[in-house]
Amino acid sequence: GESVGLHLPTLSVQEGDNSIINCAYSNSASDYFIWYKQESGKGPQFIIDIRSNMDKRQGQRVTVLLNKTVKHLSLQIAATQPGDSAVYFCAENLGDSWGKLQFGAGTQVVVTP
Amino acid sequence: KAGVTQTPRYLIKTRGQQVTLSCSPISGHRSVSWYQQTPGQGLQFLFEYFSETQRNKGNFPGRFSGRQFSNSRSEMNVSTLELGDSALYLCASSPEPSTSYEQYFGPGTRLTVT
Repeated sequence: GESVGLHLPTLSVQEGDNSIINCAYSNSASDYFIWYKQESGKGPQFIIDIRSNMDKRQGQRVTVLLNKTVKHLSLQIAATQPGDSAVYFCAENLGDSWGKLQFGAGTQVVVTP
Repeated sequence: KAGVTQTPRYLIKTRGQQVTLSCSPISGHRSVSWYQQTPGQGLQFLFEYFSETQRNKGNFPGRFSGRQFSNSRSEMNVSTLELGDSALYLCASSPEPSTSYEQYFGPGTRLTVT
């Protein structure tokens, strides 16, 4: 999907470097957080999730950190590749409904060779 | 397993018309949610359905409605279209019950209102 807005923050990363994408969430009661990746012409794709009772979770080349004290979430991508170029969204489940996610504004990641 | 499918992929309508969008969830998924994505507002929750019942609704006017059928397929309808309804409409399904709230998104329907 062409989700890139005119005012999306952009993170430029050199291929091979690590990327860190940050997100501030809104609700202290949120129980569950997800990172999604959206490439042009596609719907959001699940990357990794974390529950509120955890502060760190690792996947393949990705790590999510959760700081509940300051309501901050981050996604770290190791050895960033050209295929990682996309818009990244954090999303939270507010706990009032299973299928309702509240999304952040998104960050455009551009990987340069 | 086939992913979430949405039809049509692209649609052009005139202001004042109505439109119906369709979503087929992943086989076995009973929860379907709809989102509107625009450059200005980002991704916003529209509604959520489970077993043919609307479980939650976002802050959208009554012109936006939806339904879910017994086979979990879902439709959303927008009546009296306005220019501001131009957006990418995304459908997501999830395998409730599940150990996570993960939702699987379709490619979306791009609606343009002229």
